[in-house]
Amino acid sequence: EVQLLESGGGLVLPGGSLRLSCTASGFSFSDYAMNWVRQAPGKGLEWVSSISTSGGNTYYADSVKGRFTISRDNSKNTLYLLMNSLRAEDTAVYYCAKAGVYGSSLYFFDSWGQGALVTVSS
Amino acid sequence: DIVVTQSPDSLAVSLGERATINCKSSQSVLYSSNNKNYLAWYQQKPGQPPKLLIYWASTRESGVPDRFSGSGSGTDFTLTISSLQAEDVAVYYCQLYYRAPLTFGGGTKVEIK
Repeated sequence: EVQLLESGGGLVLPGGSLRLSCTASGFSFSDYAMNWVRQAPGKGLEWVSSISTSGGNTYYADSVKGRFTISRDNSKNTLYLLMNSLRAEDTAVYYCAKAGVYGSSLYFFDSWGQGALVTVSS
Repeated sequence: DIVVTQSPDSLAVSLGERATINCKSSQSVLYSSNNKNYLAWYQQKPGQPPKLLIYWASTRESGVPDRFSGSGSGTDFTLTISSLQAEDVAVYYCQLYYRAPLTFGGGTKVEIK
């Protein structure tokens, strides 16, 4: 069974930084692209970032480009999202999601974690 | 960027009746080389992460009841729940994955009438 467990969420001041982690199990982590999707309170889903199987290719939404960095450690089956220069509008539940297509980036998401809440507030 | 418009924002359907949700893309998401439409549908219940229902516009994910079906091609797509059950109360999202940025529709809230 695929399991994705996010951690690292919390309350942070505007302009601050936070690093989210997503620990994966139940599948061959290094064979699948991984993604972050967020959901602001009471709002819809927003794709944030994707990373290829090796980590050599990364993709970002314009809203986070230059502030967020996605990375992965295939030896630890872990996905990361480093968030810098955080703003109030970054407040959301951040979901880790597995790509639904073997070996390829930028597809649909067939497994999701339970999410980590990030609150940016003074 | 490809813009996706989902409608309606909400709908109330009687138990056992049909529910239809629409998703329209500003550009075709049909990739000619493989004849696949790069569109997926998700269901999200309160307090839960989204769940994949349909991908490639019409392929049902394993374990998804057959009352859920996807149709359409190019720029216009539909998710149909053929006979609404109580457990289908949720928000439904379409997602385009033709190219980055990946985009979601605004969501459709389905309730029981």
